[in-house]
Amino acid sequence: TQLLEQSPQFLSIQEGENLTVYCNSSSVFSSLQWYRQEPGEGPVLLVTVVTGGEVKKLKRLTFQFGDARKDSSLHITAAQPGDTGLYLCAGISGGYQKVTFGTGTKLQVIP
Amino acid sequence: EAGVAQSPRYKIIEKRQSVAFWCNPISGHATLYWYQQILGQGPKLLIQFQNNGVVDDSQLPKDRFSAERLKGVDSTLKIQPAKLEDSAVYLCASSLSSGRPPYNEQFFGPGTRLTVL
Repeated sequence: TQLLEQSPQFLSIQEGENLTVYCNSSSVFSSLQWYRQEPGEGPVLLVTVVTGGEVKKLKRLTFQFGDARKDSSLHITAAQPGDTGLYLCAGISGGYQKVTFGTGTKLQVIP
Repeated sequence: EAGVAQSPRYKIIEKRQSVAFWCNPISGHATLYWYQQILGQGPKLLIQFQNNGVVDDSQLPKDRFSAERLKGVDSTLKIQPAKLEDSAVYLCASSLSSGRPPYNEQFFGPGTRLTVL
């Protein structure tokens, strides 16, 4: 069974601070995705990274895929209350593109 | 474009009762997924359909859970009989094609929150 461990599990920060969320596995994935989920809703895709070492930026969010394609990080600069939510990484593998979700990081940004 | 529809949104049952959830994916999406999500945790894949065939049900508790996708469109997930530990949100998602690597963007419905008393 593939496992994706995220850290930290919970994060409460003040508006304007920076933060990094980590997603680690012992398995290799063909690609990795990051989702954000708000209460009462399903997860929404933020980004897909495909190549080892790849870095993608989405406004204040920076995503990196590890060189070995086993881990990833999400860095948020100058966090805002609107960034509050559950952040999920998801590894893609296999011919049918099976998705394995991480354990989740709950972020709270306090105004 | 209409999103993934799920019903009901909430369900409360007693243990040993049965329950069914319904999902209507985005039109044209070949792949449909059912996930179980415990509060605050990541979703766990229960079953993945490609059109109306099952491609992964390795984590589906088959003694009590069943799912079908008739005509490769709508899907139902059933639990019979329910246990206390089945209390969770059941998410349905669809994607355009799981056979088109490397991208596989899933679109999720709002989920059904099940409480088993």
